[in-house]
Formats: sequence, structure tokens, C-alpha cells
Amino acid sequence: QSVLTQPPSASGTPGQRVTISCSGSSSNIGSNYVYWYQQLPGTAPKLLIYRNNQRPSGVPDRFSGSKSGTSASLAISGLRSEDEADYYCAAWDDSLSGPDVVFGGGTKLTVL
Amino acid sequence: QVQLQESGPGLVKPSQTLSLTCTVSGGSISSGSYYWSWIRQPAGKGLEWIGRIYTSGSTNYNPSLKSRVTISVDTSKNQFSLKLSSVTAADTAVYYCARGDGYSYGYAGFDYWGQGTLVTVSS
Repeated sequence: QSVLTQPPSASGTPGQRVTISCSGSSSNIGSNYVYWYQQLPGTAPKLLIYRNNQRPSGVPDRFSGSKSGTSASLAISGLRSEDEADYYCAAWDDSLSGPDVVFGGGTKLTVL
Repeated sequence: QVQLQESGPGLVKPSQTLSLTCTVSGGSISSGSYYWSWIRQPAGKGLEWIGRIYTSGSTNYNPSLKSRVTISVDTSKNQFSLKLSSVTAADTAVYYCARGDGYSYGYAGFDYWGQGTLVTVSS
């Protein structure tokens, strides 16, 4: 059971815009930055979005992030076949049991 | 270009201690405002953060694993290590080491990852 909640799957056709949601609580998303990772099959995750809506160098501007309250979302516009991957949200969590990095359960994106 | 490489036994017996090392190349483990983390992923499942260490020696651990985890750093070898004690089958996973850049990306921004190593807990 992941601390952050994501839909298990999402899909879209090439060129389409898709969004993936991530829901948390006041101790994580509500008070800290949100991060997004892309994991292609058989590879390590790659940082896609940091500090809610910032892209590391080299990440296409087709990828964008947003946050509102205790929820966040990742949007992918101009969907391409190479975007088919698992996507994870993450955040720092200021829980009573100790600070912690928490992840969502992941969303498998299928490009139809 | 910074590279991370995990190493260690691929098979550990139940109740024993899992030990992994991450070797950092292409840069000094001591430079910058970096933190060095371990993250694991059971087959077909999501990511779980295990903990992190700064080269000052300061650590943070996942509260659910804290009683069993030790992360240490050896700056002379440009390595950091993970020890997870009293393992069970539930600890079977791909273990990744990763670099976090607190200054550039913040507390959960891991910009470099190792390729991952599968550790199976079985007798």
C-alpha cells in the first residue's frame, strides 16, 4: 500500500495529451515538493519533474507537472510511442515517525 | 559523467544480513550538496525508499525499515553501502543506489541511478 495514490494505468493515442494524478496528504504533497519519475521497461527510473513543475535539462517540454493542495498531476502532451513506461510520483513526507521519501504505486502508461 | 554501480550477493538466506555496496565513478562522492540513497523495487511493484546518507555521515531511514537498516559511506573508496538485517522473502527486490542533489533538485530529486541489482532472499 503506497503512501501516494496513483491510478494503476493510463492510455492514449499518439499526439494526444494524457494526465496522471497523484494524491497524498498534508504531511507530504500538501507541504513539500512533488517529483515525477519515468521508468522504461528494464531500466532504472529517470527524474522527469522536480519541485512540482521543473524539468531537468534534457527533458522535453512535452512533460509538465502541477500541484494543488494535496494532489499533483503529470501531463504529457504530443504523446509518442517512446513515452510508454511506468510513471511514479514522489514527495518528502514529514511524518511523525520520521522524515521519509514516499512514492506512489506507479502508473503504467500505454500508447495505443 | 557520474556513474553508480551496485555490487553484492544476489542471494541471501532468510534471517541473514543483506549487504550491498554502491561505487561512484566520474566524480567525488564528497563534492557538492549530494546525498546518497538506496531505493528498492520488488518485481512488478513500485519503488520504496530505504534511506540516505550525506558524506558528513548524517542519515535518514524509512521509518518502516529503520530498525533493520544501516547506511554507511567510505569517502576514500568513493563508495556507500547498505546493510539490511533479519531479511525475509519480503525483502526480495531490485536494489538501486541513487544520488540526490539537494541544492539543485531538493529532498526527493534523484538525478543519477545505478542499474539496479536483484537480491533474492531464499534458503
